[in-house]
Amino acid sequence: QQQVKQSPQSLIVQKGGISIINCAYENTAFDYFPWYQQFPGKGPALLIAIRPDVSEKKEGRFTISFNKSAKQFSLHIMDSQPGDSATYFCAASPDNQGGKLIFGQGTELSVKP
Amino acid sequence: DGGITQSPKYLFRKEGQNVTLSCEQNLNHDAMYWYRQDPGQGLRLIYYSQIVNDFQKGDIAEGYSVSREKKESFPLTVTSAQKNPTAFYLCASSSRVYNEQFFGPGTRLTVL
Repeated sequence: QQQVKQSPQSLIVQKGGISIINCAYENTAFDYFPWYQQFPGKGPALLIAIRPDVSEKKEGRFTISFNKSAKQFSLHIMDSQPGDSATYFCAASPDNQGGKLIFGQGTELSVKP
Repeated sequence: DGGITQSPKYLFRKEGQNVTLSCEQNLNHDAMYWYRQDPGQGLRLIYYSQIVNDFQKGDIAEGYSVSREKKESFPLTVTSAQKNPTAFYLCASSSRVYNEQFFGPGTRLTVL
């Protein structure tokens, strides 16, 4: 019930295309859903985050779509660029556990020029 | 320049040795976290601390120990009881008000 399931495990997209990564959860106590971007050998960096009171949040080329009833959320990267090639992690935070994050397994994105 | 520092960047350990990984933050964050990252398994929580002199076990605490004597520092000791310690270790911190966790650059530990 504490798991966050992420798919696909890897993704190849052409430059200019749309990258879509999906996550699903079961615990309805989750109330914060961030996405992190990680380059090889580096620590993850927060990309964008959403709370369940909104269904969509957009920041530049990055959009989170959130479906509370389906317990799913997804990251869309518009106009994907080779510099977006990285590993992306979704995560969820239960509202009563002091900021703990439960991470998905990660998606390795490769954007081909 | 605010942020999280981890040292060393690379660490090599012999079988049976304890090693300590350093994590320091100057963001004035109350909460600090240690994660372990293995290929294809995402990030798994080892220990976390919400305030000084208090910490809780995460999902994979066996073979690890921590201390939180100062707000800025949260060192992680990998003991000889940890059977498979080779991994990338990440430290993070967050404020008590907001959930956003900020990560350090990581320490790659290899057992020889």
